[in-house]
Amino acid sequence: QITLKESGPTVVKPTQTLTLTCTFSGFSLSTTGVGVGWIRQPPGKALEWLALMSWDDDKRFSPSLKTKLTITKDTSKNQVVLTMTNMDTVDTATYYCVQYFGYEIHYWGQGSLVAVSS
Amino acid sequence: QSALTQPASLSGSPGQSITISCTGTSSDVGNYNLVSWYQQHPGKAPKLIIYDVNERPSGVSNRFSGSKSGNTASLTISGLLAEDEADYYCCSYAGSGLVDVFGTGTKVTVL
Repeated sequence: QITLKESGPTVVKPTQTLTLTCTFSGFSLSTTGVGVGWIRQPPGKALEWLALMSWDDDKRFSPSLKTKLTITKDTSKNQVVLTMTNMDTVDTATYYCVQYFGYEIHYWGQGSLVAVSS
Repeated sequence: QSALTQPASLSGSPGQSITISCTGTSSDVGNYNLVSWYQQHPGKAPKLIIYDVNERPSGVSNRFSGSKSGNTASLTISGLLAEDEADYYCCSYAGSGLVDVFGTGTKVTVL
């Protein structure tokens, strides 16, 4: 059974850095073709693709956010960490950790709501 | 990279069929057979219902089907049920530089 769970702060202040951890089970990020990514959804709005960490350590970022984002993995702990700098109120959203198999998302975490507020 | 275009809302009566369109460009939908669809109920995480344009994951009802023509992909829900009332999002691979782009989302209402 594949599960993913996001953890991190529920509130951050403007200009601060957000660090979110995805802890997963039921698969290995060492397996060919597997990836772990991040998607976000502002309240009442559409999904937005953020970043992807692939099995071969390849990293991809949304072009509009790439200067704010960092993604790392700890294969031994089954974790992927997303860091987003200089948080703004427009970054308030539910952040989802997802599992890729090939080029598509197959599984989603439950999501973690992050509010940016002073 | 712009979001894929979906109708904001669609509705249908129980038992009817509806089709949700997802329009992209020759750089995403038109260039790859890597379109997926996700169903999202209020307050829940999205769930994969179609991948590779027209493949259903195990456990997903065969009332859901996908297709693609040119730069537009489509999701058809046949035999609408009350439980199909949800938001639906398409997603397409857009090349190694971006990876994925999502649609604007469609709210489906079962009358």
